Amino acid sequence: TQLLEQSPQFLSIQEGENLTVYCNSSSVFSSLQWYRQEPGEGPVLLVTVVTGGEVKKLKRLTFQFGDARKDSSLHITAAQPGDTGLYLCAGANAGGTSYGKLTFGQGTILTVHP
Amino acid sequence: NAGVTQTPKFRVLKTGQSMTLLCAQDMNHEYMYWYRQDPGMGLRLIHYSVGEGTTAKGEVPDGYNVSRLKKQNFLLGLESAAPSQTSVYFCASSPGTSGIDEQFFGPGTRLTVL
Repeated sequence: TQLLEQSPQFLSIQEGENLTVYCNSSSVFSSLQWYRQEPGEGPVLLVTVVTGGEVKKLKRLTFQFGDARKDSSLHITAAQPGDTGLYLCAGANAGGTSYGKLTFGQGTILTVHP
Repeated sequence: NAGVTQTPKFRVLKTGQSMTLLCAQDMNHEYMYWYRQDPGMGLRLIHYSVGEGTTAKGEVPDGYNVSRLKKQNFLLGLESAAPSQTSVYFCASSPGTSGIDEQFFGPGTRLTVL
């Protein structure tokens, strides 16, 4: 069974601060997805990283996939109250019987105070 | 397009009662999934389907049954509800064109079993 350990579980910061969320596994994944979920809604995809060492930027968000494809990180620069939410990493494996199934981390609840 | 919709949004059951959760998608996606979300545990896959008429077990299938009689609908049934099934249930769909497709989530059903 593949597991994804996400840390920290909770993060409470002031507007303007930087933060990093980590997603680690002992298993190799073909790709890593990051989702954001707001209260009362379902998760929404932020990014997919597929190549070891890959770095993707989405405005103030930077996503990195580890060289060995076992870990990933999400870095937010100058956090804003609108960034508040639950961030989830999810690993996927390509292959005939994977059927797009995702293994999710436990999630990080981020609160950005004005 | 409505995307992925779920019915009902909220439900309270007594132990031993049964119910069916309905998921519908209008994106012509092949793959559909049912997850449960509990605090501190991310999302866990209950059952999934890779096409009309097919279903398969996920990580936590016990106590649940599913059916996919039509491509656009995926039903999750609880035959005899237990308090341990109190959770938020999410349905998701994906195109099924690759192992790293984005999953599109519904807004969730909050179920309480007394």
